[in-house]
Amino acid sequence: EDQVTQSPEALRLQEGESSSLNCSYTVSGLRGLFWYRQDPGKGPEFLFTLYSAGEEKEKERLKATLTKKESFLHITAPKPEDSATYLCAVRNWNTGNQFYFGTGTSLTVIP
Amino acid sequence: GAGVSQSPSNKVTEKGKDVELRCDPISGHTALYWYRQRLGQGLEFLIYFQGNSAPDKSGLPSDRFSAERTGESVSTLTIQRTQQEDSAVYLCASSSPPAAVYEQYFGPGTRLTVT
Repeated sequence: EDQVTQSPEALRLQEGESSSLNCSYTVSGLRGLFWYRQDPGKGPEFLFTLYSAGEEKEKERLKATLTKKESFLHITAPKPEDSATYLCAVRNWNTGNQFYFGTGTSLTVIP
Repeated sequence: GAGVSQSPSNKVTEKGKDVELRCDPISGHTALYWYRQRLGQGLEFLIYFQGNSAPDKSGLPSDRFSAERTGESVSTLTIQRTQQEDSAVYLCASSSPPAAVYEQYFGPGTRLTVT
């Protein structure tokens, strides 16, 4: 069964303190790994799609990387406005339409 | 342009009542998803519409749940005889899938509380 596990569940950082969020996945035939940001009371906001091991994508202070077993979301010099829950999801070739989401990492950046 | 909209934003209903949730996708987006997000849990896939193809209903948890979509526009998710375990945020997402790109754009969700 396809599974997505995110760690840590919660992370508190001082402003400027870089760190990484982890998304471990077990999927038969990865068709894409997706990162989203979710603010309280809002729907998830798409950040990145990664398709193959070794792929990297960047957006402002965020950088997503992918291996055959996990993905990392690196946050460089975070600011308080980066505080949110970060969700990871995967899609596989066998169950094409379904996205499997992790439970997220709640990030708090303290000024 | 306008994003995905959902209504109502909040719904409180009594156990046993039926509810209807609405989703307006981004114009031109052919794919539409419904998800359920229970407190402290990940998003749970419910149903997927793609153009005029038969919907993928494999995620619907019971026959009390159903969804419809009119062409490539509005979708409604109906929950009959609501139960307390149906309390959750129901999220709708749309996408325009050329090739292998499936970037979903989510609405703000409908928070359903069953008392």
